[in-house]
Amino acid sequence: GAGVSQSPSNKVTEKGKDVELRCDPISGHTALYWYRQSLGQGLEFLIYFQGNSAPDKSGLPSDRFSAERTGGSVSTLTIQRTQQEDSAVYLCASSPPLLAGTDTQYFGPGTRLTVL
Amino acid sequence: RKEVEQDPGPFNVPEGATVAFNCTYSNSASQSFFWYRQDCRKEPKLLMSVYSSGNEDGRFTAQLNRASQYISLLIRDSKLSDSATYLCVVNRSGYNKLIFGAGTRLAVHP
Repeated sequence: GAGVSQSPSNKVTEKGKDVELRCDPISGHTALYWYRQSLGQGLEFLIYFQGNSAPDKSGLPSDRFSAERTGGSVSTLTIQRTQQEDSAVYLCASSPPLLAGTDTQYFGPGTRLTVL
Repeated sequence: RKEVEQDPGPFNVPEGATVAFNCTYSNSASQSFFWYRQDCRKEPKLLMSVYSSGNEDGRFTAQLNRASQYISLLIRDSKLSDSATYLCVVNRSGYNKLIFGAGTRLAVHP
């Protein structure tokens, strides 16, 4: 079946511009996560959505970062007034409902963001 | 101190070698443990979950030591295609946020 998809695959922007990154989770998955990975680094948690619950935003690095998940499916991560240190690969993952007995997360291919 | 720590490597081994990676985690509330594999410029993919009793999947064996808070991954008979970064991942019960180690890089050469 279809996996997690993300768009765009690559985004180059100028410092100070806003960007929007999109994630389509696997159908039926109730949980959705955003991570970012800087060059040569591990994954850094950003935000987590689970069903209709309030999102866990504890990983967002600043108030320039925000995310929405509409209709319990597609999510958009927005970065306002981008800075060069925002350059990274932004990865989205989804996982099945908790009752499915697994908390395995399935990752999308990521969006590589470059801020000039 | 990072919550999940791994030796970054690289581990350079010949084909056919056995190689072991260790990982330590600091939060005793951690309940679920995984090894993910990440190829260069690709997304992480689940390699295997790690169970308290230890588990094996073909050439891969994972072990968990809760008392010492470490996880290991053993790869036997290494293949060129095993070259990748191996990410140690933990999750706390009721807190569905994966904590990733920075990864251990493995390079298998002919």
